[in-house]
Amino acid sequence: GQQVMQIPQYQHVQEGEDFTTYCNSSTTLSNIQWYKQRPGGHPVFLIQLVKSGEVKKQKRLTFQFGEAKKNSSLHITATQTTDVGTYFCAARTGNQFYFGTGTSLTVIP
Amino acid sequence: DVKVTQSSRYLVKRTGEKVFLECVQDMDHENMFWYRQDPGLGLRLIYFSYDVKMKEKGDIPEGYSVSREKKERFSLILESASTNQTSMYLCASSFYPARTGELFFGEGSRLTVL
Repeated sequence: GQQVMQIPQYQHVQEGEDFTTYCNSSTTLSNIQWYKQRPGGHPVFLIQLVKSGEVKKQKRLTFQFGEAKKNSSLHITATQTTDVGTYFCAARTGNQFYFGTGTSLTVIP
Repeated sequence: DVKVTQSSRYLVKRTGEKVFLECVQDMDHENMFWYRQDPGLGLRLIYFSYDVKMKEKGDIPEGYSVSREKKERFSLILESASTNQTSMYLCASSFYPARTGELFFGEGSRLTVL
């Protein structure tokens, strides 16, 4: 199946610091999605990126899709304790979704 | 409100037992999926189904089978459970062809095989 690498695996930040997670693929992606999983919860869809170079914002979250459509990033500005959780990218190919390994974010108050 | 319901949140089974994990969605989605989630490995696709009685293998189908007799229900079957199948199992569904393409997940079933 599709290989999607995600880094870092873990990130600890002080509340108010910024956070970024990266997804990389060796092949060109038709689109990429991002999900958030709170501790003890299930993944919840955040956003889908489709176009080369696309940038989308949701309040303090900024999502980017690379020009070559092989990488993507999620950046959180001024983290809050509510941002705690694991963030996954997922590459969609047809009806299949291939998930990255996730980045677990801990926010220290 | 959209809903994907998994029958059991927690199960404890013995090696060699047959295990059924049930998933029901109320959104009339064509696609349904079973993932396995393990620390450091992310979500790995076991099987998916794009229509009633249709199924496709994912990346790790060995030791598992599935059944989709009705559109709203997708079952995961472990014919003979083994300890390496101890994991969190997540069911998900989506539209076909994908519109926004988002997956809706159930709460998960944590299976322990002793």
